[in-house]
Amino acid sequence: QVQLVESGGGVVQPGRSLRLSCAASGFTFSSYGMHWVRQAPGKGLDWVAVMSKDGNQKYTADSVKGRFTISRDNSKNTLFLQMNSLRAEDTGLYFCARSLRALDIWGQGTMVTVSS
Amino acid sequence: EIVMTQTPLSLSVSPGQPASISCKSSQSLLHSDGETYLYWYLQKPGQSPQLLIYEVSNRFSGVPDRFSGSGSGTDFTLKISRVEAEDVGVYYCMQTLQLPPTFGQGTNVEIK
Repeated sequence: QVQLVESGGGVVQPGRSLRLSCAASGFTFSSYGMHWVRQAPGKGLDWVAVMSKDGNQKYTADSVKGRFTISRDNSKNTLFLQMNSLRAEDTGLYFCARSLRALDIWGQGTMVTVSS
Repeated sequence: EIVMTQTPLSLSVSPGQPASISCKSSQSLLHSDGETYLYWYLQKPGQSPQLLIYEVSNRFSGVPDRFSGSGSGTDFTLKISRVEAEDVGVYYCMQTLQLPPTFGQGTNVEIK
């Protein structure tokens, strides 16, 4: 079935790095744009980044620009989020989601905690 | 960026009663292609968001017909004709007309 599975979260100190992965299955990964969306504990949804289906276009939120990089490997059906210079405010559950126009399928999320 | 404003932020509804959530955008979500890029999501407790309605009024696959969406331009509404226990959670509107995509603050729906 159509599935997105995130991994790579954990507890990290401020200023350190983390790389999240999102493994796709059950659909043609290279036909879809892919997003990262995060959710701080007890808060609403906060969009982070998007990459086009061929990887040629990407866009990141101002709050993470220069620190986070989205990428994908269509040969491995995997989306990535490289997160550098992490801050306490980056703490949250990170979801990947596929899109043509709507973000129609979401993963279950991977938790990132930035704390000393 | 486009600001999405939902009202109310919290709603308590008796089973079988209707519910309505409003979403207003800071600018029109009508694209030059004729589509309006407004979506509704439900995040049930402990789960990831699930798509309910796409492009204002189209129910996503498997979504019960008690859910309906309407509106145009900057004003949109999600209606639940008869609320059921499984409808509890936080409802979000979202726009993808313009980068960055933005969400409303969320409306927490509980059952009385």
